[in-house]
Amino acid sequence: AQSVTQLDSQVPVFEEAPVELRCNYSSSVSVYLFWYVQYPNQGLQLLLKYLSGSTLVKGINGFEAEFNKSQTSFHLRKPSVHISDTAEYFCAVSVGTDKLIFGTGTRLQVFP
Amino acid sequence: GAVVSQHPSRVICKSGTSVKIECRSLDFQATTMFWYRQFPKQSLMLMATSNEGSKATYEQGVEKDKFLINHASLTLSTLTVTSAHPEDSSFYICSALGHATYEQYFGPGTRLTVT
Repeated sequence: AQSVTQLDSQVPVFEEAPVELRCNYSSSVSVYLFWYVQYPNQGLQLLLKYLSGSTLVKGINGFEAEFNKSQTSFHLRKPSVHISDTAEYFCAVSVGTDKLIFGTGTRLQVFP
Repeated sequence: GAVVSQHPSRVICKSGTSVKIECRSLDFQATTMFWYRQFPKQSLMLMATSNEGSKATYEQGVEKDKFLINHASLTLSTLTVTSAHPEDSSFYICSALGHATYEQYFGPGTRLTVT
């Protein structure tokens, strides 16, 4: 079985500062990795995904993530955040086209 | 591309009634759709996997007779909450699996309130 851990439930940061949202996973088989963003009362929007190949993945809105197999991590980063990045961020894993397993989410709060 | 819609976006119903939520893939065909439930300030919990033309696969602890899922076409899956109770109040989100992308495209969600 797979599991996802997002240790930080909330991450406060000032505008234009860098941010890292942590994600660790557990799986005995190879997985696909995803980061989604959710704005209030909305569905999820895909930020980026890792299926194979380069371990550094670039996504939308200036976000990127690095897959680290040895540390079973897939941390999300952005060098300079904006107020509009305030949202809930979910890390997720899947095995092939199987169901997504979500982490508990990290609330990113960007202050002016 | 890869847009998924849900209808309605919000619904309020009385206890004991049934509510149907539709999930449509607007510009692609989806043989597999998923239904999630999200409680306030919590993560998404998978309820069931819906495959076109076959019975849905429910996750452990989800009552299949209460949450009826129908996936009659490649672009439409429906979730019917039967005999709804206040504890069924939640945010329900569907997603559709894109072909060859291993990516789920999510709908905007439906806020169900049972009074």
